[in-house]
Amino acid sequence: QSPLTQPASVSGSPGQSISISCTGTSNDVGGNKYVSWYQQHPGKAPKLLIYEVNYRPSGVSHRFSGSKSGNTASLTISGLQAEDEADYYCSSYTDSGVLVFGGGTKLTVL
Amino acid sequence: EVQLVESGGGLVQPGRSLRLSCTASGFTFGDYVMSWFRQAPGKGLEWVGFIRNKASDGTTKYAASVKGRFTISRDDSKSIAYLQMNTLKTEDTAVYYCTRGPWDTSVAVAAYWGQGTLVTVSS
Repeated sequence: QSPLTQPASVSGSPGQSISISCTGTSNDVGGNKYVSWYQQHPGKAPKLLIYEVNYRPSGVSHRFSGSKSGNTASLTISGLQAEDEADYYCSSYTDSGVLVFGGGTKLTVL
Repeated sequence: EVQLVESGGGLVQPGRSLRLSCTASGFTFGDYVMSWFRQAPGKGLEWVGFIRNKASDGTTKYAASVKGRFTISRDDSKSIAYLQMNTLKTEDTAVYYCTRGPWDTSVAVAAYWGQGTLVTVSS
């Protein structure tokens, strides 16, 4: 049981938009700005997509965006492309000074 | 270019110890917090812990699952971070990643990742 809750899977067709939710508590997601999202392709190291809820590192496509409402953060991918098919993880800093993750969401591009 | 290279993984028996190394290049190693993460086969990501830079007294923080068994240290003169793993359990089997944040004091974001090193704990 992961501290943060994500859907196990989502799917979408090329060109569509999808969102992945990440639900925590007021002690983590809802309590600070340190929510991040990572993309991981099979056999590869994770890649940072979003940090501090909605900031994109240099080089990350504008098709990826983040938001937060209360204890739930969301990652939205617009204009789905085949290469977006991957696993996605959210993470949050907590009020006890540790980092927790969601269980991951497998995105399938139909 | 920031590069992180983990080494030291392998097969180890339960109860034994293993030390992983993370050799960094492309940045001033001593200025940055360094973190370790792991991923068990077929499972999700798990934060292991971090070590702050010397300016922040090099303090460490660990996940509850490894606290008291794992120790993170650093040698700034060699640009290497270490993960000493003692009293290993089968559930410690995972790929271990070394990471660095986007800025020097970042403990909550892993912007740069190594390729990972596999640790298998089995008799």
